[in-house]
Amino acid sequence: LAKTTQPISMDSYEGQEVNITCSHNNIATNDYITWYQQFPSQGPRFIIQGYKTKVTNEVASLFIPADRKSSTLSLPRVSLSDTAVYYCLVGGISSNDYKLSFGAGTTVTVRA
Amino acid sequence: GAGVSQTPSNKVTEKGKYVELRCDPISGHTALYWYRQSLGQGPEFLIYFQGTGAADDSGLPNDRFFAVRPEGSVSTLKIQRTERGDSAVYLCASSFTSGRALRSDTQYFGPGTRLTVL
Repeated sequence: LAKTTQPISMDSYEGQEVNITCSHNNIATNDYITWYQQFPSQGPRFIIQGYKTKVTNEVASLFIPADRKSSTLSLPRVSLSDTAVYYCLVGGISSNDYKLSFGAGTTVTVRA
Repeated sequence: GAGVSQTPSNKVTEKGKYVELRCDPISGHTALYWYRQSLGQGPEFLIYFQGTGAADDSGLPNDRFFAVRPEGSVSTLKIQRTERGDSAVYLCASSFTSGRALRSDTQYFGPGTRLTVL
């Protein structure tokens, strides 16, 4: 799986937009970009996945530039309940990509 | 429907003891995974089951760790002669199929079992 680099932590306030950028310079042609969210005392939860351009769902948006060497997870109008660790993963259809490689993630703290 | 469940939620044991951790995957999911998460780190892969068989156990740290899934549903992670370094949260995940996990087989995680070895 391609190595990813993301900030260790980010602080925000309720109602703000949070953008977390992940670098993945060695992303392969067949790789997808996937983000997981983990709340304290819970397992990680899939939130969004994309290949190129922009993907949006009810939770977040994922922006991927043309060169795909980075991606940005955008959380609109965060609330206190969005405080969590966010993991960026890169991989796809390789035979051993079931071994999810999480790294340390980005701890997002939302304050009132 | 019901998600992945794990029991117990917390387990405290003494060094040298044997422990078993149980995982109930989502019904119908053929693939099951175990991960271990240390404080401040992301989960690390331990073992992957496809049906009843362990398709990849390359993440198990040593031969004190063993896992089974005899009927292709519930799985048990077994740790013999526990050591203090085994203390961590043990996470179980399941997916509908397997192999192409990041594209089409979203892994659904349970809440984990927090193991503390004194």
